[in-house]
Parts: sequence; C-alpha cells; structure tokens
Amino acid sequence: QVQLVESGGGVVQPGRSLRLSCAASGFPFSSYVMQWVRQAPGKGLEWVAVIWYDGTDERYADYVKGRFTISRDNFRNTLYLQMGSLRAEDTAVYYCATRDRYCSGSSCYSSIGSTTIHSWGQGTLVTVSS
Amino acid sequence: DIQMTQSPSSLSASVGDRITITCQASQDIDNDLNWYQQKPGQAPKLLIYGASTLETGVPSRFTGSGSGTDFTFTISSLQPEDIATYYCQQYDSLPDTFGQGTKLEIK
Repeated sequence: QVQLVESGGGVVQPGRSLRLSCAASGFPFSSYVMQWVRQAPGKGLEWVAVIWYDGTDERYADYVKGRFTISRDNFRNTLYLQMGSLRAEDTAVYYCATRDRYCSGSSCYSSIGSTTIHSWGQGTLVTVSS
Repeated sequence: DIQMTQSPSSLSASVGDRITITCQASQDIDNDLNWYQQKPGQAPKLLIYGASTLETGVPSRFTGSGSGTDFTFTISSLQPEDIATYYCQQYDSLPDTFGQGTKLEIK
C-alpha cells in the first residue's frame, strides 16, 4: 500500500538549518507531484512547497521562499525539504503528500501516474527554539 | 492569494444529525477544492476532491458540492467517529490555501 514516512524533525536553534526527508513506497514515486504542508501547534494547515514529478519545476510559499528548498531523488524514492534560516514561526508538524497537479499563472504541472493517489505521511515535528 | 472563508469555526451536533460546512473562495476556483478530515494527533485525511468526488473508501454519508466560489460539505447522518476538524483547500492556483477549519463536536 501507499506509504509516506517523514523523518528529520527535531529541535533547532533560530537561524540554523535542518533537512527533512520523506520516504515513499507502494507507488511509482517518480511519476507523482509531491508537496510539503505544515501545521503549527494548535493551528490550521499551511502549504509550503511543491515539486514536479521529475524535479524540473518547484514552487514555494512566500513565507519560505529563499530559505527552503524542495528536492527529490527518484532513484531513492525520497522527497526532501532543506530548511534554512529557521525562525520560531517555522515551528510546525511538516507533512509530505502526493498531489495530482498544480497550476501557477498560465502553467499547469501534472503527475503522470496512471492512477490518482492522494496520500499524506504522519508528519515530523520541527521546533525552532533557542 | 486566494482567500478561503470557512464556516462555522465550530459545530456541536447530535449523532444522526445532518451537518453542513461552507467554504467561500475570494475568486473563482472552478471545482478545484478538497475537503479534509483531521483527528487529533493524526495527519489530514482527504475525503472529497474536485469539490464533489468522494475519495476511495470514504463513506457515502460524506458529500461535497459547489463550483466557482461557493462550496458545501455535508455529513448526512453524523456518526461518533466523525468527530474531527474539517478543512477545505483550494488548489486552483498556487499558493494553495486552506479554510480556517471547522471543529465538530458531539452534543
């Protein structure tokens, strides 16, 4: 079955960096758009970043642009989120998830898998604190 | 960015009740809307995508409708296991944005 397992969370000081990983299994990872979504403690959901199935396009929320980098290794079936210049407001549970497509301006980018897959990992907690 | 206004923010209902949650987009998003269920300590679970398509394995008491800017999520007969927070999400254009959430409780 489809499984997404995040790792790499922990406590980190403001201004430092951290890399999250999301190990995928049970589906053809290299065919699907992947994303990160976060949730601050007791708060709602907030979209962070998305990457096309082959890694040639990536997009970010304004509040992480220039500080976070999404990437993927389709040979290792793993999604990453490199987080830099961390701030207290980045404290959250970070979820990786599949998605069908995304659009930005007049361009749309779709997964190329033959089936629709909507799956989320269990999340990994990042705490930014001195 | 597209703003999603979800209401109510909380709801108390009895088992067997019909409950409705609404979500309004600040601009036309066609039918590019998801509804999620999130229970405490768990990841969100997709219930409905494309505004009205039921995700595989989700009970048929959950339905969604709407297009453009106004959307509705309904549970036809509330069950005890439906206690959760529900979110709408637009994915018509980046950045994706979510509603503020509706916390559903049993009376």
